[in-house]
Amino acid sequence: SQTIHQWPATLVQPVGSPLSLECTVEGTSNPNLYWYRQAAGRGLQLLFYSVGIGQISSEVPQNLSASRPQDRQFILSSKKLLLSDSGFYLCAWSVIWDEQYFGPGTRLTVT
Amino acid sequence: LAKTTQPISMDSYEGQEVNITCSHNNIATNDYITWYQQFPSQGPRFIIQGYKTKVTNEVASLFIPADRKSSTLSLPRVSLSDTAVYYCLVGKAAGNKLTFGGGTRVLVKP
Repeated sequence: SQTIHQWPATLVQPVGSPLSLECTVEGTSNPNLYWYRQAAGRGLQLLFYSVGIGQISSEVPQNLSASRPQDRQFILSSKKLLLSDSGFYLCAWSVIWDEQYFGPGTRLTVT
Repeated sequence: LAKTTQPISMDSYEGQEVNITCSHNNIATNDYITWYQQFPSQGPRFIIQGYKTKVTNEVASLFIPADRKSSTLSLPRVSLSDTAVYYCLVGKAAGNKLTFGGGTRVLVKP
């Protein structure tokens, strides 16, 4: 069966510090991968998606970046965090039509 | 991308049926309609997907009229554990951009 992992589960970082969130998927090959952010009490905002290694599409201009160094690994990064980067970050994968499977999420607080 | 509109919140009681209607006036011919459920501090979970008419699974039913400009998620006999946010999405194949709106916050009361 397929599983998706995210870490860390929670993170508190000061403004201006770097960020690296990791997502890995097991049990499937060549998945589409997604990064979402959810602000408190709000819906999900698609940040990046990838249909293959090294292929990243950005949805929102921001100080975040994403990379896919391996087929089942998706990394979200920032060189300098802003207060507005606080939120719940979710990684997801899909293979078939629109059915996305989400990871447990990382709650990021920028102080 | 087809935009969706759904109520912000709904209250219900245990054992009742909950119906959430989503409007998607600009749905494209090859768009599917998908519903997700999200509990606090968790990622959304796929509930049901359909293209037209009616789809039913062990969790919910999805009713889609002929013009496909709206859809209704039906949750039969809800329990307290069905309290969650429900999102309606319209889109095509995986890899395409999906837009999660604000969702509908359903509160099931005892």
